[in-house]
Amino acid sequence: AQKVTQAQTEISVVEKEDVTLDCVYETRDTTYYLFWYKQPPSGELVFLIRRNSFDEQNEISGRYSWNFQKSTSSFNFTITASQVVDSAVYFCALSEAGYGNKLVFGAGTILRVKS
Amino acid sequence: EAGVTQSPTHLIKTRGQQATLRCSPISGHTSVYWYQQALGLGLQFLLWYDEGEERNRGNFPPRFSGRQFPNYSSELNVNALELEDSALYLCASSRLGGSHGYTFGSGTRLTVV
Repeated sequence: AQKVTQAQTEISVVEKEDVTLDCVYETRDTTYYLFWYKQPPSGELVFLIRRNSFDEQNEISGRYSWNFQKSTSSFNFTITASQVVDSAVYFCALSEAGYGNKLVFGAGTILRVKS
Repeated sequence: EAGVTQSPTHLIKTRGQQATLRCSPISGHTSVYWYQQALGLGLQFLLWYDEGEERNRGNFPPRFSGRQFPNYSSELNVNALELEDSALYLCASSRLGGSHGYTFGSGTRLTVV
């Protein structure tokens, strides 16, 4: 069974601080996909990144970076030099390969960045 | 490229009524997924449609149903509305299987009074 755990319910930081959002997943499949989405107050889910289980290379996109470690089943997300506009709910999600798959989401982490 | 569009944006219904929510996927996407985001409950998978067929269903009662049309747009119907059905309903679309990513719409906020 698929499961995604985001243990941090809410994080508050001051602008320009670095912040890491944790994500731990469970799956029995060897082929799967991991995602991060951002949900601003307006409600839509904004896609940030997709990673397949065979690619453990870390990725950096501007101030965002992701650390994928299969050994610990973790896919953590770091925002460097946070900004007020980063305030949102962040969801980690897992999709197993194969027909019948669906996205299973973690509970989300509320990030508040204060100026 | 137009994104996933959902209508209406907001919907207010009385307990016991029926609600119909609509979703138009991105052009070229054949799969449509519905999720419910109730306050404090996170994002729960509701339904997955592909090529006009229901392919997978989450742990929701039968009064949650839907369909997918030949143009791949989709409807979510909620019958006999209950107060706890109040939530943000998000639709996502993808190419078959979703491994290339899921694109979400802005959602329909359903309020049951």
